[in-house]
Parts: sequence; structure tokens; C-alpha cells
Amino acid sequence: NAGVTQTPKFQVLKTGQSMTLQCAQDMNHEYMSWYRQDPGMGLRLIHYSVGAGITDQGEVPNGYNVSRSTTEDFPLRLLSAAPSQTSVYFCASSSLRRSYTDTQYFGPGTRLTVL
Amino acid sequence: AQTVTQSQPEMSVQEAETVTLSCTYDTSESDYYLFWYKQPPSRQMILVIRQEAYKQQNATENRFSVNFQKAAKSFSLKISDSQLGDAAMYFCAYRLNYGGATNKLIFGTGTLLAVQP
Repeated sequence: NAGVTQTPKFQVLKTGQSMTLQCAQDMNHEYMSWYRQDPGMGLRLIHYSVGAGITDQGEVPNGYNVSRSTTEDFPLRLLSAAPSQTSVYFCASSSLRRSYTDTQYFGPGTRLTVL
Repeated sequence: AQTVTQSQPEMSVQEAETVTLSCTYDTSESDYYLFWYKQPPSRQMILVIRQEAYKQQNATENRFSVNFQKAAKSFSLKISDSQLGDAAMYFCAYRLNYGGATNKLIFGTGTLLAVQP
């Protein structure tokens, strides 16, 4: 049971380049999400999904695309990277069953630098 | 819209002493969860403690406890017998308890805790 995995751990891009941050979970969680963490701003929600084929925007979606073709995977795409997207990105997943133990599990994060 | 505020960007505590981290939130909802997450230098987000809004009893997890004041919309974290390994960024977070439609977390800006030997 690997939990939530993210690749790569570090990435440097040039402005205008595209890339995909990968996220996978092996807990059969319905809910998956992407956050970005910037100094002094905490974690902010980019996009989320409540199941395969269903995605929606969070607080800061501009410049990012997502899709969810399987329960396990939730990739985040940067189509044309900008320096403002320099950040640490976290993927998280959780069950949608309403219970006290329903908590979110976070991946290890990806540090992205856009030059 | 719901918001979470952590007014202490940095805190410091002596080893073995007690420290309290503050968190306030704003919501018009009555059914929600509150969380404290720890982020050590490894960057991993670790759940420290959680509280259900409709439970009046304050949650405790070993050396970690909360003071939940629902009317005041306050959710502070107390760390007793502080250890060097407690040094980290601590985030307060809020989540509605809708019936399963969404698990969106709203985070505060974090408090960086230093533990002095």
C-alpha cells in the first residue's frame, strides 16, 4: 500500500514549456485534489475530482488542466508554464464516505520552478 | 465564503515546555470538521488532530490537544512537553461536512514552530 504518490519530486521548466505532474493513489478513494503551496499563503485548492470523469475547479484553477480517466490517477497539466506557477504542488485523496475517519492523505509534493 | 486565519507566522518554545498555536475561522455553517496538519522540513503533510464541530469535547492525541470554541470560531492547538521533533510548520484547516459531495480543505497560512533545546 503506497498511499498517494507524486512524480516528479523536483522539476525546472522554462517559461512556455508544458508538463504533467503525476498523482496516483492505491486506496480506491473517490476524491482527489491538487493544491499549491506558496510562502505566506498556505495551501490553495487548484482542481478536484469526486470520481472518474468528474472534475471541478478550486480556488486557483487558471493555467492548469486536469482529467480523471481512472479512480487511481489524477494528473495535473501545465499547458504553458509561467513564473507565477513556481510553487510546491500537493496531491491529496480521500474517501467520500461520510465518517469520522474520513481524512485526506497527501502525497510528498512536487517542487516546481519556472524560469 | 469560509476563511481560516492563523495570526502567528512564527512561534518559539523551549524543549519540554507547552505552546499554543492560534487559529480562527469564519463560516455560517454548523456542520464541519477542523484539522491541524504538521509539515516538517521533509514537506510531508501529517495530520495531527481533528475535531468535529458538533462534538463539544475537545480532541486530544497524546501530547496534542485542542481548545475548540465554536461560538467564538476559535480552534487552538496546544502542544505539551514540546520535543525537538515538533519543530515544523503547522496548518489549521477547515472542511464542510456535506454528505459526501466534496472534501475541499481550506487552509490557514501556517505557523512556523521552532523548538529550542
